[in-house]
Amino acid sequence: EAQVTQNPRYLITVTGKKLTVTCSQNMNHEYMSWYRQDPGLGLRQIYYSMNVEVTDKGDVPEGYKVSRKEKRNFPLILESPSPNQTSLYFCASSQRTGGMNTEAFFGQGTRLTVV
Amino acid sequence: AQTVTQSQPEMSVQEAETVTLSCTYDTSESDYYLFWYKQPPSRQMILVIRQEAYKQQNATENRFSVNFQKAAKSFSLKISDSQLGDAAMYFCAYRSIFGNEKLTFGTGTRLTIIP
Repeated sequence: EAQVTQNPRYLITVTGKKLTVTCSQNMNHEYMSWYRQDPGLGLRQIYYSMNVEVTDKGDVPEGYKVSRKEKRNFPLILESPSPNQTSLYFCASSQRTGGMNTEAFFGQGTRLTVV
Repeated sequence: AQTVTQSQPEMSVQEAETVTLSCTYDTSESDYYLFWYKQPPSRQMILVIRQEAYKQQNATENRFSVNFQKAAKSFSLKISDSQLGDAAMYFCAYRSIFGNEKLTFGTGTRLTIIP
């Protein structure tokens, strides 16, 4: 089954304690991306990757890091989480055809709370 | 930069009735893609319908259809014969045909179905 898998689904952590949210896709997609969802703001892109070893900032990259060492994995790293990073996070992947039928597949979401 | 506006934070509709969710966007591009996503309480992001800007014909998927007005930069979603399972947050999204496969989302409309 084609899917994007995020872990964990829920996480409560304390300010300053480094954490990683994993994302893995089994569709051999080149493009992967992270979004955060906040009430009244919709989803906003944090970072994206066009291919292995190619990453770039999205609209809200401050406080986050990513890496793309393998095509299937795209972890999101919060080296020193702060309460303003409390949010719902989504990983997404898609094939880079550029066409309309390039559907974005989303993970199940990770609810992060930083206290 | 493109922006997407959903001016209705909440909507409700009687079961079996028809409801229309509004979406407007701003862009200087002439070709692009537009999407409606559904997010039920499970948080999963589900693609409902998509439209390519150069196609004049409005997209339809079963009970879901769009009214795409390119000149007005409007992309509304009509749900016919509303069902209890349609209750969800609905997001309108824009994607450029160039570069980054980023989706630019609106702030969402929460749809309630009244039995």
